[in-house]
Amino acid sequence: SQTIHQWPATLVQPVGSPLSLECTVEGTSNPNLYWYRQAAGRGLQLLFYSVGIGQISSEVPQNLSASRPQDRQFILSSKKLLLSDSGFYLCAWSVGGASTQYFGPGTRLTVL
Amino acid sequence: DQQVKQNSPSLSVQEGRISILNCDYTNSMFDYFLWYKKYPAEGPTFLISISSIKDKNEDGRFTVFLNKSAKHLSLHIVPSQPGDSAVYFCAASAWYGGSQGNLIFGKGTKLSVKP
Repeated sequence: SQTIHQWPATLVQPVGSPLSLECTVEGTSNPNLYWYRQAAGRGLQLLFYSVGIGQISSEVPQNLSASRPQDRQFILSSKKLLLSDSGFYLCAWSVGGASTQYFGPGTRLTVL
Repeated sequence: DQQVKQNSPSLSVQEGRISILNCDYTNSMFDYFLWYKKYPAEGPTFLISISSIKDKNEDGRFTVFLNKSAKHLSLHIVPSQPGDSAVYFCAASAWYGGSQGNLIFGKGTKLSVKP
């Protein structure tokens, strides 16, 4: 069966510091991978998605970037965090062409 | 411009009764709809989906109804249980260029089921 991992679970970072969140998927090959952010009181905002290694599409302009160095690994990064980057970050995967996405446990990021 | 709208931020229901969560959409190209359930500090869990070729899909206590003419779908939970208390997200996607497009999510409805 497929499983998706995210770490760390929680993170507190000062403004201006770098960020690296990691997501890995097991039990499937060539998945589509996604990064979402849920800000307080808001829905799920798609940040990035990837259909293959090295292929990244950005949905919104922002202070963040994403990379996919391996088939089942998706990384969310920032060089300098802003207060507005605080939120709950979710990684998800799907089988290419199918819409049902399966989410990881999430990372709570607080920028102070 | 929100393409998927969940106009009720919260809903409170008595245990054993029916919970009805509503979702409206504006994009007539959407052809696949999903409901997710989310507990605090956890990732959303896929609940149930429906294709636009159907108007109803049932899975245990969960039933999703789709009214394409009204661009409206609803999730019915019968009977409601305290463990159903969570935020429920509606999502939709459209078929574009040979593949299913990305999901568009509503803002969620917080369901509270009281014992």
